Amino acid sequence: DAGITQSPRHKVTETGTPVTLRCHQTENHRYMYWYRQDPGHGLRLIHYSYGVKDTDKGEVSDGYSVSRSKTEDFLLTLESATSSQTSVYFCATRVGEAGYTGELFFGEGSRLTVL
Amino acid sequence: AQKVTQAQTEISVVEKEDVTLDCVYETRDTTYYLFWYKQPPSGELVFLIRRNSFDEQNEISGRYSWNFQKSTSSFNFTITASQVVDSAVYFCALSATSNSNSGYALNFGKGTSLLVTP
Repeated sequence: DAGITQSPRHKVTETGTPVTLRCHQTENHRYMYWYRQDPGHGLRLIHYSYGVKDTDKGEVSDGYSVSRSKTEDFLLTLESATSSQTSVYFCATRVGEAGYTGELFFGEGSRLTVL
Repeated sequence: AQKVTQAQTEISVVEKEDVTLDCVYETRDTTYYLFWYKQPPSGELVFLIRRNSFDEQNEISGRYSWNFQKSTSSFNFTITASQVVDSAVYFCALSATSNSNSGYALNFGKGTSLLVTP
């Protein structure tokens, strides 16, 4: 267990409102990721971080921003939520420093509904 | 480009049957890792196995076994004597050296939903 907690676990919001999801890890892992899971699409990468203040875009980054001011926290922000961003969001960290070789450990997920 | 294909969207079996979940991958890298994850109805993602591209030995863990064949770019997962608790969505994933431009994130297939009925 990589000690990853996500908050909030459930959120309902309205179109146009800003939303921030928080991911907190206790393992001091360098790499952190945000994925979204949608039926028929599996898990798709939104953004990732390879260190404090080092972040980059993933496959489906439009409409999302991230920040990482501390090793343990990785925030995902929807500046103006849209219904297409209704999804389950997972945070993950990578075990080990050897790049592509380590598995990811995931948080419990955050279910976001945008009305 | 990398791709993971899980052609089986849903599988339904009766308890005690054996079931194989297929995973086919595409990558130009010669060095890569393959993974399987389980997502039970409670929603969390559970890591099951990691296998590197240089190790084609099959792996067995209890009722679970994995068959890695580079010749067919497949990494299939078999559950022997399935149980109701095996009901879940199973994801196959790939990570390779060329993933550096995505922070070595895993590329996931779309998942196979397995339903085991009593």
